[in-house]
Amino acid sequence: DAKTTQPTSMDCAEGRAANLPCNHSTISGNEYVYWYRQIHSQGPQYIIHGLKNNETNEMASLIITEDRKSSTLILPHATLRDTAVYYCIVRTSNTGKLIFGQGTTLQVKP
Amino acid sequence: DVKVTQSSRYLVKRTGEKVFLECVQDMDHENMFWYRQDPGLGLRLIYFSYDVKMKEKGDIPEGYSVSREKKERFSLILESASTNQTSMYLCASKTQGEDGKNIQYFGAGTRLSVL
Repeated sequence: DAKTTQPTSMDCAEGRAANLPCNHSTISGNEYVYWYRQIHSQGPQYIIHGLKNNETNEMASLIITEDRKSSTLILPHATLRDTAVYYCIVRTSNTGKLIFGQGTTLQVKP
Repeated sequence: DVKVTQSSRYLVKRTGEKVFLECVQDMDHENMFWYRQDPGLGLRLIYFSYDVKMKEKGDIPEGYSVSREKKERFSLILESASTNQTSMYLCASKTQGEDGKNIQYFGAGTRLSVL
């Protein structure tokens, strides 16, 4: 199972873009990158996922490097409600189990 | 929108009690999961289920059992609650198959305190 590495914490000014990096150097060819976030005292929330190409949805953009060894989640205009722990996850076995690491605590400041 | 509902947000139980945590999903998902979350340890998988009446042990099944009698409902059972089972419990569900569609939808969580 590919392991991910994320910074422990980051700050971002409200209204600015938040760029959250993730390293997954041992990712294999058929593994996807998923991003979830967890707001305090709530369950994790799916944000976005991708395989090779960059992806965008109403919440965020996902940029995956060409060698797929790292990726960046971009929140284009961070708000105070985006303050949360963000988890970068690589799909594990066919059972669908997700392994959540420690994630990045993003603090959006006014 | 997918909805995963956990029956209680907060529970307080005594050591030795039998505890039932209930989870219901409304999207006809085949797969359901129970995790616990503890500070510094992240989310750890307790049990999961591929379909009705099917169950598989996760990483930390000791002290827990599960029941999946109906597709929409997945119950976690603590046969004899202990203080080290004080934790946040999270239920999730997802559809089966389709590479890339490994999107798990989580409930709000149940914070269990065992005294």
